[in-house]
Amino acid sequence: DIQMTQSPSSLSAPVGDRVTVTCQASEDISNYLNWFQQKPGKAPKLLIYDASNLETGVPSRFSGSGSGTHFTFTISSLQPEDIATYYCQQFDNLGHTFGGGTKVEIK
Amino acid sequence: EVQLVESGGGLVQPGGSLRLSCAASGFTFSDYWMHWVRQTPGKGLVWLSRIHGGGITTSYADSVKGRFTISRDNAKNTLFLQMNSLRTEDTAVYYCVRSRFYYYHMDVWGQGTTVTVSS
Repeated sequence: DIQMTQSPSSLSAPVGDRVTVTCQASEDISNYLNWFQQKPGKAPKLLIYDASNLETGVPSRFSGSGSGTHFTFTISSLQPEDIATYYCQQFDNLGHTFGGGTKVEIK
Repeated sequence: EVQLVESGGGLVQPGGSLRLSCAASGFTFSDYWMHWVRQTPGKGLVWLSRIHGGGITTSYADSVKGRFTISRDNAKNTLFLQMNSLRTEDTAVYYCVRSRFYYYHMDVWGQGTTVTVSS
């Protein structure tokens, strides 16, 4: 099974800061990677699909990059409404695996 | 409005069974792959199973293979998860999820239903 290692597990940054989360796959997954945002008490929401494509309606301050085994998720200017846990997820013909999540807080 | 509404969660004893349902609306249900994903309290997300729009092709996570069965009734726009031989570690919030472009992009999530396995 493909393992997804996400880091950091949590971070705290001031409003307006650039925030970066990384996700490492245990083997090459091409660009078969999505990023989700989950706010407390809510279901996850798809933000980025296929590593770098912004989901319709998602603010442009969110972005994703990478391919193969190393992926990056970035919030270019952190906003108070971005407080949430972010998850990467890979998918293949066998199934889907989520990363452990990154909890983002405001400093 | 595209919507998924889960039901069927509750308290069950270890070794027991439970059947979750997910009512879909606002889209052509049979056109989409569907999934079940769970989240244990305070923990991360775990994919459990998926099913093709036609209901023939299914896949399962190793942790539930042989115990859980995914199915769908396209005439009633409903997804199911039959859970047998439940264990305390199956306690979680269970989400019904739609994916577009085959099973690639999980774009619509239900609100979740809580399953508690305890004696």
